[in-house]
Amino acid sequence: EVALVESGGGLVQPGGSLRLSCAVSGLGFSGQWMHWVRQAPGKGLMWISRINGDGRSTSYADSVKGRFIISRDNAKNLLYLQMNSLRVEDTATYFCAIEWLQSFHYWGQGSQVTVSP
Amino acid sequence: SYVLTQPPSVSVAPGQTASITCGGSNFGVKRIHWYQQKPGRAPVIVVSHDNGRPSGIPDRFSGSTSGNTATLTISGVEAGDEADYFCQVWDSSSDQPYVFGTGTTVTVL
Repeated sequence: EVALVESGGGLVQPGGSLRLSCAVSGLGFSGQWMHWVRQAPGKGLMWISRINGDGRSTSYADSVKGRFIISRDNAKNLLYLQMNSLRVEDTATYFCAIEWLQSFHYWGQGSQVTVSP
Repeated sequence: SYVLTQPPSVSVAPGQTASITCGGSNFGVKRIHWYQQKPGRAPVIVVSHDNGRPSGIPDRFSGSTSGNTATLTISGVEAGDEADYFCQVWDSSSDQPYVFGTGTTVTVL
């Protein structure tokens, strides 16, 4: 069974940093394109970042470009999101997800990030 | 940027049919995916690539597209179908290509 488990969320002040992790099991991790999707409280889903299987290609939403870095460790089946210069508007639940042909077939349970003074 | 528009809410009686629309542009060259999200839970894909049903999804869930409107249809609605539903496309012309719709809350009366 495929499982994605996020960790690393929490409360941080504006301007601070956090690193989220996503542990993946149950399938060949290194072949998967991985994503981070977030959801602000009471709002919809927003794609924020993607990384290809070998980690050499990444892309970001404009709202996080230059502040967030997506990476992966294929030896450990781990996906990361380094979040720097956090803003109040980055407050959200962050989901990791596995892509299959431009859709998201597996999701983690989500990690809550709160940015507040 | 690419926009997908959904009605904020849809109400339906048990046993009836719910139709959730998703409006966009150039749907002829895009594949539409639909997700169900219950409160406090991660999204679950219920329809992929316009009308594909992932493993474990009941055949009560189906998708269709006509012109620039995609529709998720839930037949024989059950209380457990009460959730938020989001459409999603991949827009190849954008550098932020994974786009979600605004979301629709389905209420079972």
